[in-house]
Amino acid sequence: QQQVKQSPQSLIVQKGGIPIINCAYENTAFDYFPWYQQFPGKGPALLIAIRPDVSEKKEGRFTISFNKSAKQFSLHIMDSQPGDSATYFCAANSGGSNYKLTFGKGTLLTVNP
Amino acid sequence: GAGVSQSPSNKVTEKGKDVELRCDPISGHTALYWYRQSLGQGLEFLIYFQGNSAPDKSGLPSDRFSAERTGGSVSTLTIQRTQQEDSAVYLCASSLRGSIGNTIYFGEGSWLTVV
Repeated sequence: QQQVKQSPQSLIVQKGGIPIINCAYENTAFDYFPWYQQFPGKGPALLIAIRPDVSEKKEGRFTISFNKSAKQFSLHIMDSQPGDSATYFCAANSGGSNYKLTFGKGTLLTVNP
Repeated sequence: GAGVSQSPSNKVTEKGKDVELRCDPISGHTALYWYRQSLGQGLEFLIYFQGNSAPDKSGLPSDRFSAERTGGSVSTLTIQRTQQEDSAVYLCASSLRGSIGNTIYFGEGSWLTVV
């Protein structure tokens, strides 16, 4: 059973556009929601993360919007650049004493110049 | 080193052979994780080590998979009697502590191909 559902699978935008990637979860025990960025041949790297006590977090051009009641969260990339082309993964921590992440299946973002 | 180091970066093995994948976490990090990344399947949790606590092995897909962490630092993931479905990128990661708010840093992975 997939615990974090991510969409879309792939996304193409023009430079300057605002791609939005969505994730949904069912487990209400999830209490930490990071987004990871992965370039080809590299490991994923933490981009931005949010806790459920806030509805939005912004770091530079990246914003997470969080809707606790709907159990959804999304990543927005403002003024997207070709260098943002990568695979993006949402994730959630399942809570409890063990800190481990459950990942979505990823979104391949292409930003055309 | 500055980051999580994994070796080998690429490994081609014959079906039925055993393989060992090595991970050197960031110095001082007490938590270490192994994930598997298959094409189009995201990252699948395998195992988690935290300090001297018993490891969380709940993600290991079968008893052919095992991992150990020696001296609280280096970890080895062993796959016995490899099968073609084991082909994937095996990612190691570490964090300073095994608790929320601690960034999990990933290595570049070991790409395993079973032929």
